[in-house]
Amino acid sequence: KQEVTQIPAALSVPEGENLVLNCSFTDSAIYNLQWFRQDPGKGLTSLLLIQSSQREQTSGRLNASLDKSSGRSTLYIAASQPGDSATYLCAVCQGGSEKLVFGKGTKLTVNP
Amino acid sequence: NAGVTQTPKFRILKIGQSMTLQCTQDMNHNYMYWYRQDPGMGLKLIYYSVGAGITDKGEVPNGYNVSRSTTEDFPLRLELAAPSQTSVYFCASSYSTLSGEQYFGPGTRLTVT
Repeated sequence: KQEVTQIPAALSVPEGENLVLNCSFTDSAIYNLQWFRQDPGKGLTSLLLIQSSQREQTSGRLNASLDKSSGRSTLYIAASQPGDSATYLCAVCQGGSEKLVFGKGTKLTVNP
Repeated sequence: NAGVTQTPKFRILKIGQSMTLQCTQDMNHNYMYWYRQDPGMGLKLIYYSVGAGITDKGEVPNGYNVSRSTTEDFPLRLELAAPSQTSVYFCASSYSTLSGEQYFGPGTRLTVT
């Protein structure tokens, strides 16, 4: 059974710092991996989608990498801002399935 | 495009009552999903659909039912509500799970007392 783990559960950084969020998964047979952002009381917003054949994706200050063989992905946020404060969720699409399996998320606080 | 819309935003149910959570998408996506999110936990898949007339169980389907009569709509039915169904429910859609992003609705916060 696929399990997705996100470490740390919470992270607090000063504004301007570069930071890395981690995601690991137990079964490397995945179709893709997706990073989401969730603001308090809101739905999820897709940030980046990495196909299994890709190594990384970039959008603005965000860069996500994927190492399928080791079961790891990282989300790199450059020059963090208070507006980046949210919970970040990682999810994998399991091979042979139509389903996403989610981690529990990392709650990020960026202090002014 | 409105994207994925859900109604209601909030609801309080008494134990044993029934209700339907509505979900509509206007992106002509084939795939639709229902998740629940409990505090401090990730999302768990309840049911999903790969097209009109086709539905399948996810990880936590007990106590729920779904139907998919049109591409746009994917309602979730709770029969005989129980306190364990207190949660936030999210509907999502995608063109394809295998290659496409999932787009989420704003959620329905349900309390069963």
